[in-house]
Amino acid sequence: AQSVTQLDSHVSVSEGTPVLLRCNYSSSYSPSLFWYVQHPNKGLQLLLKYTSAATLVKGINGFEAEFKKSETSFHLTKPSAHMSDAAEYFCVVTKGPGKLIFGQGTTLQVKP
Amino acid sequence: DTGVSQDPRHKITKRGQNVTFRCDPISEHNRLYWYRQTLGQGPEFLTYFQNEAQLEKSRLLSDRFSAERPKGSFSTLEIQRTEQGDSAMYLCASSPPLGPASEAFFGQGTRLTVV
Repeated sequence: AQSVTQLDSHVSVSEGTPVLLRCNYSSSYSPSLFWYVQHPNKGLQLLLKYTSAATLVKGINGFEAEFKKSETSFHLTKPSAHMSDAAEYFCVVTKGPGKLIFGQGTTLQVKP
Repeated sequence: DTGVSQDPRHKITKRGQNVTFRCDPISEHNRLYWYRQTLGQGPEFLTYFQNEAQLEKSRLLSDRFSAERPKGSFSTLEIQRTEQGDSAMYLCASSPPLGPASEAFFGQGTRLTVV
């Protein structure tokens, strides 16, 4: 069965320092994986997606994620946090053509 | 605005009342999804349409819930005899015909409060 586990419910970083949001997945076949971001009072927005092409995926706003099959991980990183990055982040795996399975979410706090 | 549109944005209802939400997907998108998100949780899948056909329903979708997409365009989600546990954000998303992994575009949601 497909599932994702976000290892941290809350991450706090200082502005300008690196961001690491951790996600492990479980899938019975080669998965498609996504990271979505949710800002307060805004809709979910796709940050990036992995679909079995390059294992290092670049997304919007300087985010990237690396698919590591041996570790069943898909961690999200950014070299330098900005205040506007403060939001809820969801790691997502697909289950068939019509269903996204969301992790529990990680709240990213960025301190000045 | 060419994004996914949901109406209303907020709904407060008394327990036992019926409510209906509407979702207008992006016009070229033939796939439409409903999700529910409770506070502090990730969205949970409810149901999925391809054109007008409802192809999958979650066990979360009890008999009190019904979703339709009569002409393959907009969709409605109705909750009958609402309960306090139905309070949540109801999210609609749409995506184009399937590729290796389609990107789902989400609306801003309808926040339901049952009092």
